[in-house]
Parts: sequence; structure tokens; C-alpha cells
Amino acid sequence: EPEVTQTPSHQVTQMGQEVILRCVPISNHLYFYWYRQILGQKVEFLVSFYNNEISEKSEIFDDQFSVERPDGSNFTLKIRSTKLEDSAMYFCASSEVGPPVYEQFFGPGTRLTVL
Amino acid sequence: AQTVTQSQPEMSVQEAETVTLSCTYDTSESNYYLFWYKQPPSRQMILVIRQEAYKQQNATENRFSVNFQKAAKSFSLKISDSQLGDTAMYFCAFMKQNNDMRFGAGTRLTVKP
Repeated sequence: EPEVTQTPSHQVTQMGQEVILRCVPISNHLYFYWYRQILGQKVEFLVSFYNNEISEKSEIFDDQFSVERPDGSNFTLKIRSTKLEDSAMYFCASSEVGPPVYEQFFGPGTRLTVL
Repeated sequence: AQTVTQSQPEMSVQEAETVTLSCTYDTSESNYYLFWYKQPPSRQMILVIRQEAYKQQNATENRFSVNFQKAAKSFSLKISDSQLGDTAMYFCAFMKQNNDMRFGAGTRLTVKP
């Protein structure tokens, strides 16, 4: 069964460093999403991406964040200068355009630890 | 903005018994989708069940069923014949079509042997 994959599973970085989290969505999906979950808290929407551009973003997704689809398979989330409060689990998700349009498939997540 | 409220931070149930997790939401939309996701200790997000708002019939997936009350904006999850493997965080989520998903704060369910 096709699935969303994410790498790395765990990323440790120093405060102020740039990190890139990678996702490979399901191949026929055209909508892509990033969510984050700070430990012990709820999952929060960051950004959605369709047709090579951001379609929606939350207030969390500030200028420190960017997303890119550099090729036909990868979808990346970049944090330019990480802060301690960026430590969280980051989930990528993808969904189809046609029916069923309502289901997002989640990847296993990348645990980001900022020291 | 859509908000999702799960009023039960923690619940427990004896193995083989039935438990109901509550969820309410607030929206001005008429067409939308509702989900329950399970998050075990591995932290993988696993879809348990989904419901389209335009469908009056409550969704059912094996031991999992929902009680969808559109007028009341309520979407509760019933787990029948609870199993130890059901122990997890359960998140209720709301989504407009092909839009971002908004999650509740979660309910931590413990199934006791």
C-alpha cells in the first residue's frame, strides 16, 4: 500500500542552524501539507501546498519557514534559523485531488530537537 | 475559524468494554469532513474513521463508530470491545474540502486489562 515517507526520523540541531525536513508524498497525490506537534500538545497545521505554490498557511508559518517541491517526488520544509521552541514532531501529509478528496495520509513524522 | 474541542483529556476503559470519546466543533461551513485519528506511543498518525458532513448515516469501521450530530456540531467516537492495542491518544479533526485540518487537543485513552 502506498505511503508517505519522511526523512530523517530524528534530527538534532543547534539553535540558529538551518534544517530541511524531507517528505515523499504518495505519488499520485497533488496536495501536500506540513503539521507540527509540540510534545504533549495537539497537532497544528503549518502550511498546504498545491500546484507549486502555498495555498494556505497558519500564523505559525512565519518567514523562518519555507516549503519547496524541488523535484517530482520530494516535498521539503526548511526552517532557516531554528529556535528552541521549534522542537517538535513534524508531520507531512498528502491528499489526492479527485475523489476521495477528503483524506490526508500522514507520514511517520520527523522529530526535531533544537539544542 | 474552525475550532475543535475535546473535553476529555484522559479516559480509561476495561478491556472488552465500550467507551465513547467526545468531540465538538465550531464552523459556519455546510460541507466539511470530520475525522478521528489515533496516535499510539510511536506517534504515527493513524486514521480511525471519517465522516462527510453531507451524509446523515453515521460512519462505522469494525469496532469503531461515530455519533454525528450536525445540528449540535458533535462528533463522538465509540469504541466497542476495547482492546489493549487501542491505548493511544485520539484526536478529533475537522477539514474543509482539500484544506488544512484542524485538530482537537486530544484524549488519552488507556485500556486496562
